[in-house]
Amino acid sequence: AQSVTQLGSHVSVSEGALVLLRCNYSSSVPPYLFWYVQYPNQGLQLLLKYTTGATLVKGINGFEAEFKKSETSFHLTKPSAHMSDAAEYFCAVSFYSGGYNKLIFGAGTRLAVHP
Amino acid sequence: SQTIHQWPATLVQPVGSPLSLECTVEGTSNPNLYWYRQAAGRGLQLLFYSVGIGQISSEVPQNLSASRPQDRQFILSSKKLLLSDSGFYLCAWSVLLDWGGTEAFFGQGTRLTVV
Repeated sequence: AQSVTQLGSHVSVSEGALVLLRCNYSSSVPPYLFWYVQYPNQGLQLLLKYTTGATLVKGINGFEAEFKKSETSFHLTKPSAHMSDAAEYFCAVSFYSGGYNKLIFGAGTRLAVHP
Repeated sequence: SQTIHQWPATLVQPVGSPLSLECTVEGTSNPNLYWYRQAAGRGLQLLFYSVGIGQISSEVPQNLSASRPQDRQFILSSKKLLLSDSGFYLCAWSVLLDWGGTEAFFGQGTRLTVV
């Protein structure tokens, strides 16, 4: 069965520091992987996605993620955190099941950025 | 371009009262539609999905129901709200993409507080 695990429900970094949000997946078929960001009281916005091809994926706002099949991971990184990056981040996997394309989310990681 | 509208943005309802949340999509045809719930401090739980008019599938047993009276309209309802129905409700739509996966687009959400 497909599933997504995000390690760490809360991550706190200093402004300018590296951001690393961890995501591991379980999938019996080649996965399609996503990172979404949610700002307070708003919907989810797509940051980046991995479908096929290059394993290092670049997204919006300076974020990138690397698909590592051997580690079943899709960790999200940003070299230098900004205060505006404070939000909740969700990793997700897409697969086809029961007649429709299902999108399963991890539990989310809340990122705090302090001065 | 495609847009998704969800309303109301916030709602406070007494226990035992009915509920109706509405979601409409513009700029696409025959989308897959989803209702998710996000409880405080928890991830996204898929409640309902629909692949077409009148076709509703439920992921979890609950006090809620969904309907799709038109191709781009998705409604979440309850006859009698419970305290446990409080949460942040998100509507989303997706289409099957040429690489075989799906990508979801979210509304701005409805914050429901049952008192």
